[in-house]
Amino acid sequence: DTAVSQTPKYLVTQMGNDKSIKCEQNLGHDTMYWYKQDSKKFLKIMFSYNNKELIINETVPNRFSPKSPDKAHLNLHINSLELGDSAVYFCASSPGGALQKNTEAFFGQGTRLTVV
Amino acid sequence: GENVEQHPSTLSVQEGDSAVIKCTYSDSASNYFPWYKQELGKRPQLIIDIRSNVGEKKDQRIAVTLNKTAKHFSLHITETQPEDSAVYFCAASKGFGNEKLTFGTGTRLTIIP
Repeated sequence: DTAVSQTPKYLVTQMGNDKSIKCEQNLGHDTMYWYKQDSKKFLKIMFSYNNKELIINETVPNRFSPKSPDKAHLNLHINSLELGDSAVYFCASSPGGALQKNTEAFFGQGTRLTVV
Repeated sequence: GENVEQHPSTLSVQEGDSAVIKCTYSDSASNYFPWYKQELGKRPQLIIDIRSNVGEKKDQRIAVTLNKTAKHFSLHITETQPEDSAVYFCAASKGFGNEKLTFGTGTRLTIIP
């Protein structure tokens, strides 16, 4: 019954590979996000989608491609993985919408990506 | 864009004492300021938030204060307990619609028994 769930929890892969992380939320929220947390614990936004539409792309290399098949899902595909991509990736969702006053973000449990 | 600074980066306090974490933000249009707690290996979770029309908000041992003129806000934890040990993040956003949260750099709080 998890509100925001992402898979896999751990991902170890070699440089140059392509991998995907999946995220689903059952909160009925309109907005979903991907955040990257590096080894120093900095939480930085990567992408934001509202109702399947991309609204924020924070200068992320185009090797990273988010896809939102519907507003409950936001997947992250990463091509040609590099050592520097190693981090914990968090999916999150919030109610969103132009008239919403609540911006509280609910986070998934994170995916620890290790590139070797 | 918004820039949020957070201090200190690490904080150790004796159990039972108070802890204070401070943040400043740059965008005067920001009006929603949440605080997240992240325990080791877990997801960030909201513990308290405040909007710009309020100067202070309290929830049991946790309180947040906001000074919009100076563009800073603080988290206060009183009567600290070992389970308060975690990384705490402040954040800011414009609070409406699809506005992203811009996070501070985090404070690792350690409660010494």
